[in-house]
Amino acid sequence: GIQVEQSPPDLILQEGANSTLRCNFSDSVNNLQWFHQNPWGQLINLFYIPSGTKQNGRLSATTVATERYSLLYISSSQTTDSGVYFCAVRPVGGAQKLVFGQGTRLTINP
Amino acid sequence: EAGVAQSPRYKIIEKRQSVAFWCNPISGHATLYWYQQILGQGPKLLIQFQNNGVVDDSQLPKDRFSAERLKGVDSTLKIQPAKLEDSAVYLCASSQSVGVYNEQFFGPGTRLTVL
Repeated sequence: GIQVEQSPPDLILQEGANSTLRCNFSDSVNNLQWFHQNPWGQLINLFYIPSGTKQNGRLSATTVATERYSLLYISSSQTTDSGVYFCAVRPVGGAQKLVFGQGTRLTINP
Repeated sequence: EAGVAQSPRYKIIEKRQSVAFWCNPISGHATLYWYQQILGQGPKLLIQFQNNGVVDDSQLPKDRFSAERLKGVDSTLKIQPAKLEDSAVYLCASSQSVGVYNEQFFGPGTRLTVL
């Protein structure tokens, strides 16, 4: 089955710093979502981005489907950005299920 | 618009006991998913429903897990009997089923601890 790899696994930054999270996937996909899992376990939808670039405030994401990767950018980090960020993909030709990566744990220190 | 609702939020049981979780998807969403998230890992699909029919249950441990979505709206997931390794967060998600591209939305999850 498809493999989804996220890097780095852990990232510790000071408030105000910028960060880039990467998601590589091993096969073609027709859906890619980025989520933020907050300390209470809720998965918050950040982006639905099977291809192209999107921006929402301090967050932006780019997916290059032909090269099988996606990037999540966080600018001017705040302590509330802390948590685990997941990339999830839906393989072409498969069922509608999402296959998740292992996540990047982001810690923003004040 | 109301999100995906799940209950209970937390459950503690002893091994070999049974437990049931409930999910109500976003109104109008035909597809419903149950995922299991073990600590430190990403969620993994257990079962997917399209309306009241099962689309994918290949990862569901059918000797102890069962799920139903009788009227094509809300759903229950049951574990009987529970094992220690079932300790996890059980997440319900839903999506519309229009075309190839559709976004999944998740509920708050039920955190199960098996002692």
